Amino acid sequence: GESVGLHLPTLSVQEGDNSIINCAYSNSASDYFIWYKQESGKGPQFIIDIRSNMDKRQGQRVTVLLNKTVKHLSLQIAATQPGDSAVYFCAENIGDDKIIFGKGTRLHILP
Amino acid sequence: EPEVTQTPSHQVTQMGQEVILRCVPISNHLYFYWYRQILGQKVEFLVSFYNNEISEKSEIFDDQFSVERPDGSNFTLKIRSTKLEDSAMYFCASSLQGFREKLFFGSGTQLSVL
Repeated sequence: GESVGLHLPTLSVQEGDNSIINCAYSNSASDYFIWYKQESGKGPQFIIDIRSNMDKRQGQRVTVLLNKTVKHLSLQIAATQPGDSAVYFCAENIGDDKIIFGKGTRLHILP
Repeated sequence: EPEVTQTPSHQVTQMGQEVILRCVPISNHLYFYWYRQILGQKVEFLVSFYNNEISEKSEIFDDQFSVERPDGSNFTLKIRSTKLEDSAMYFCASSLQGFREKLFFGSGTQLSVL
């Protein structure tokens, strides 16, 4: 089965509101997590990462939360802007030599 | 900002033909990867490469696939005999110091097998 997955395939958010994108993982050995943004026709772009010894990490307008108890990862985007429209992937490393991606959530920004 | 470059951006080939997809990773990066993405689906891991050898490969990366770093700057993916199901966007990526850090992706090569 899949190790990394997402709860919702599509999320629509009003411009200026906060967005929360969720991700579930099943492998307890996962120790490094990343969020990527993919705009149409482009490769995935790194947003933020977090290691398993942390619960929260903040960047510019983005926050990643990690709940190891329930194996849940979330990406919060503050004051969502039109440029935030994209597909967002969570990804993980389980201690081996690869990063694996989840299915992706498409974020629509409503005017 | 340094970036990963991939050529060509589009490649059309006939089934059974060999293709080589080319990538120039960021110059001081040591770890290299190929991923692929079928339209509308998730990004799938193919192979990771370090110190001139494959570190890990997925079940997709069968005997028809190979990778090479021929000259210290390029990183290539070869598909020996393409199949229709090989049609996808292929992304090259690199990272600086390890497999547990952020990957920098190229813009991809769209491979269409007819």
